[in-house]
Amino acid sequence: DIQMTQSPSSLSASVGDRVTITCRASQGISNHLAWFQQKPGKAPKSLIYAASSLQSGVPSKFSGSGSGTDFTLTISSLQPEDFATYYCQQYNSYPLTFGGGTKVEIK
Amino acid sequence: EVQLVESGGTLVQPGWSLRLSCTASGFTFGDYGMSWFRQAPGKGLEWVGFIRSKTYGGTTEYAASVKGRFDISRDDSKSIVYLQMNSLQGEDTAVYYCTRLRGVSQWPPQYWGQGTLVTVSS
Repeated sequence: DIQMTQSPSSLSASVGDRVTITCRASQGISNHLAWFQQKPGKAPKSLIYAASSLQSGVPSKFSGSGSGTDFTLTISSLQPEDFATYYCQQYNSYPLTFGGGTKVEIK
Repeated sequence: EVQLVESGGTLVQPGWSLRLSCTASGFTFGDYGMSWFRQAPGKGLEWVGFIRSKTYGGTTEYAASVKGRFDISRDDSKSIVYLQMNSLQGEDTAVYYCTRLRGVSQWPPQYWGQGTLVTVSS
C-alpha cells in the first residue's frame, strides 16, 4: 500500500496568512493526488484533483502543486471559512489512501 | 445539482449485518463509478470500496479491512448504490460517506453525501 504522510499535523495561522501543507507519498504516484477540506461535523469537500487542478466552484486562493512523491496545498490568504482539516489522497493505485490530515486553526 | 443521500446507519451488535443505501440525483447515475468512504469518530478518512459503472463492467474494488465482509452493488434503475456490511465489528464504527467520481471512470471523488453513522456495540 502507498503511505501518505502529511505535515504538519496541525498549524495555527491568522486571517490573511499564506498557508502551505505538504503531503509525501511512499512511492511515486505521478500527479494522482487530491486534496479535501473537512469542517467539524460535515462531509469532506473536494478541492483539488490531479495535484493542481481546482474542482469546479473552488476559489482560486487554493492551489496545489507537485508530482511524483512530493505535493503541496497552498491557501494564499487564509479566511475565517478556511479553518478546517485538510486531507491529501492518492488515487494512483488501490487501495486508495489518505494522509493523516492537517488541522488549520485560528491563531 | 448533484445530490447524494445516504441512509441506513444505526446501532448494531457485533457480528450483525447492515445495508446502507445512497440515493443519487442530479446526474446520469448509470454513467458514473461510485465509492464509499468512512471516518471513525475523531479519526481520519478511510476508503472502503468502489463500484464501476456497467460500461466498465460494474466490477468492484475493496479495502483489505473490509474485503470478504462488505459488498457494494448498484441499481441503476433507481439511482441507488448499496453497501452491504456483514460480520460487523467495533472497528467498523464510523460515519459512512457515499461519493461520486469526478468523471465516469475518473478519480478522485468530486461529490460527497452527508454521511450516515454506523455504531457497532453490544
